[in-house]
Amino acid sequence: DIQMTQSPSSLSVSVGDRVTISCRASQNIDGFLTWFQQKPGKAPKLLIYAASTLQSGVPSRFSGSGSGTDFTLTISSLQPEDFATYYCQQNYRTPLFTFGGGTRVEFK
Amino acid sequence: QVTLRESGPALVKPTQTLTLTCTLSGFSLNTSKMCVSWIRQPPGKALEWLARIDWDDEKYYNTSLKTRLTISKDTSNTQVVLTMTNVDPVDTATYYCARTTSVPTHLPGYFYHMDVWGKGTTVTVSS
Repeated sequence: DIQMTQSPSSLSVSVGDRVTISCRASQNIDGFLTWFQQKPGKAPKLLIYAASTLQSGVPSRFSGSGSGTDFTLTISSLQPEDFATYYCQQNYRTPLFTFGGGTRVEFK
Repeated sequence: QVTLRESGPALVKPTQTLTLTCTLSGFSLNTSKMCVSWIRQPPGKALEWLARIDWDDEKYYNTSLKTRLTISKDTSNTQVVLTMTNVDPVDTATYYCARTTSVPTHLPGYFYHMDVWGKGTTVTVSS
């Protein structure tokens, strides 16, 4: 199975900060990567797919980049509603999807 | 409007069989490239993909849980059922179903992603 590793596991930030979350795959997955946002007690929400394509309705402060094994989710200016846990997920070995361990974005 | 709703027992005893139902609205599983996945999340832990059923009745399972899972859809293509046999307290989790569709991208081949999720149903395994 393809393993997905996220870093950091958590980070403390302030409103307005630029946030960068990393995700590494255990093997090449080209651009077959998706990012989700999950708030406490809620289902995950699709943010970005194909590594860099913004899902409809997602604010443009979110962006994704990367290819191969290394990927990044960037929030250009963190807003109060962005405090959440973010997960990456590989779609390369579909349908055997695997998720990263998550990155919790907390208020400093 | 596309929605999915999970239902099932809140409490199950160890060794029993868990049956969960996902009711679809706003789309049908008889559309080409339309699928439904099940995902779970133990309390405080990460997401884990469990199974997927496709429009053409192809079925796929998490390798480590394959012997315990069965996914199926009804003849109206509006409900998807997941059964898990021989449950254990480690199976305590929130279980989600999600619409899984193929979208065009710059990448070769098909890109399947889980674009709409249900709210989840919480299952506790305890005697």
